[in-house]
Amino acid sequence: QVHLQESGPGLVKPSGTLSLTCAVSGDSISDSDWWTWVRQPPGEGLEFIGEVSHSGSTNYNSSLKSRITISLDTSKKQFSLKLNSVTAADSAVYFCTRRSHMAIFGLVAFMFDPWGQGILVTVSS
Amino acid sequence: EIVLTQSPGTLSLSPGERATLSCRASQSVSSSYLAWYQQKPGQAPRLLIYGASSRATGIPDRFSGSGSGTDFTLTISRMEPEDFAVYYCQQFANAAFTFGPGTKVEIK
Repeated sequence: QVHLQESGPGLVKPSGTLSLTCAVSGDSISDSDWWTWVRQPPGEGLEFIGEVSHSGSTNYNSSLKSRITISLDTSKKQFSLKLNSVTAADSAVYFCTRRSHMAIFGLVAFMFDPWGQGILVTVSS
Repeated sequence: EIVLTQSPGTLSLSPGERATLSCRASQSVSSSYLAWYQQKPGQAPRLLIYGASSRATGIPDRFSGSGSGTDFTLTISRMEPEDFAVYYCQQFANAAFTFGPGTKVEIK
């Protein structure tokens, strides 16, 4: 069973860089699927940040694309998020998850499952 | 970018009652790219439904999904105490994933 665990600083200064890592256990990180970051500001909804494929390709939210880098380290079985030039608006719980796929009725369905427990990151001086 | 709208914003029900949650897309969405998640306070979202109508592993059959095009529905046939939570729909199109704002199902 796949297990995901986020780690990183819980406090980042404005204009600094938010750096998080997601450790993957119970599955091969390089076999297939995409490895994804989603965030949730306190009391608000979910926002897709971006993802990295098992082969290193990336797909970013267009609204964040200029500030983010997501990378994969297969040897350490982890993937990482870097978000630069942060402001208070970037304060949120950050979740890592796996985007997997399944064939249904001749089509491909995507789903985010499982999820890490999430890590709260606050941007403040 | 496709925008998802969920209604109602809050649904007040008693245990045993039926819940009907709506997710409407600003443009047509492939059914295979529509999923539903449940989130309880302080927890990560949990996958309930993928492909608009397929239940994820371990999800009870009181949860069902339906719909196509721009209108999708999550139905909980009989609310159990553990089902009171926030529910999000999510779609994928043009390499972009978006979530709806959520429907909170609270105890009446």
